[in-house]
Amino acid sequence: DQQVKQNSPSLSVQEGRISILNCDYTNSMFDYFLWYKKYPAEGPTFLISISSIKDKNEDGRFTVFLNKSAKHLSLHIVPSQPGDSAVYFCAAGEGNKLVFGAGTILRVKS
Amino acid sequence: DGGITQSPKYLFRKEGQNVTLSCEQNLNHDAMYWYRQDPGQGLRLIYYSQIVNDFQKGDIAEGYSVSREKKESFPLTVTSAQKNPTAFYLCASRIPGGVTEAFFGQGTRLTVV
Repeated sequence: DQQVKQNSPSLSVQEGRISILNCDYTNSMFDYFLWYKKYPAEGPTFLISISSIKDKNEDGRFTVFLNKSAKHLSLHIVPSQPGDSAVYFCAAGEGNKLVFGAGTILRVKS
Repeated sequence: DGGITQSPKYLFRKEGQNVTLSCEQNLNHDAMYWYRQDPGQGLRLIYYSQIVNDFQKGDIAEGYSVSREKKESFPLTVTSAQKNPTAFYLCASRIPGGVTEAFFGQGTRLTVV
C-alpha cells in the first residue's frame, strides 16, 4: 500500500503562471518531507524540504506547504519557467526511512 | 568533488543470473539507500542502511540483497529470485537524522534478457 501518493500523473502550465503539485500521505509518523525534480535517465535533484513542525518553507520560486491534519503537502512554483518541465517527486521520512511518491510530470508551455 | 557514483550506467544480464550493482559515495554520509524506478510507479525503496554493518528492508526487498561493510559502499545484488529485475536502479546517501536531503547517483539501467 502506497504511503505517499501523488494523484496527478501530469500537469500542464503556461509559462509565468503558478504550478501547484500535490502530495498526500497516510503515515502520521512521517516527520519530514522533501521535493525532488528528475529528468529521464538521471538521478533526482533536491529542491526543497519541510519539517513536520512547520507549515511553510520558501526558497526562491519554490514554496512547500504542509497541512498535517489533512496529511497533505504541496509545492508551488512561481513563476513557472520552461526549464521547470520535469518529473517532480515528493518524499516523506520517518527516521532514516525515506519513501517517495509516484511522481507528477510537469510541462511548462512557453 | 564529493558525490555518489553508480556503475555501470547500463547493465545487461541473462535471466537466472545474479548481478551486483555498485554504489560508492565520498560524502561521508552514514545513511545509504537503494530505489527502483519503473514507469508510473515512482521510486520504490528496496533497502536502506543507517550505518556500517546495518541495513533494513524497504517496501520491495524480495529478490534483492545488500551489504554495508564500508561506509562508502552499499552494493545491491539482484538475485535470480527477483521476478521482474529489468528497471532503473537509483542509489542515494544522506546525513541521518533531521531534515536532510538525500543525494542521488545517476542510476543504473538493468536489462535482463
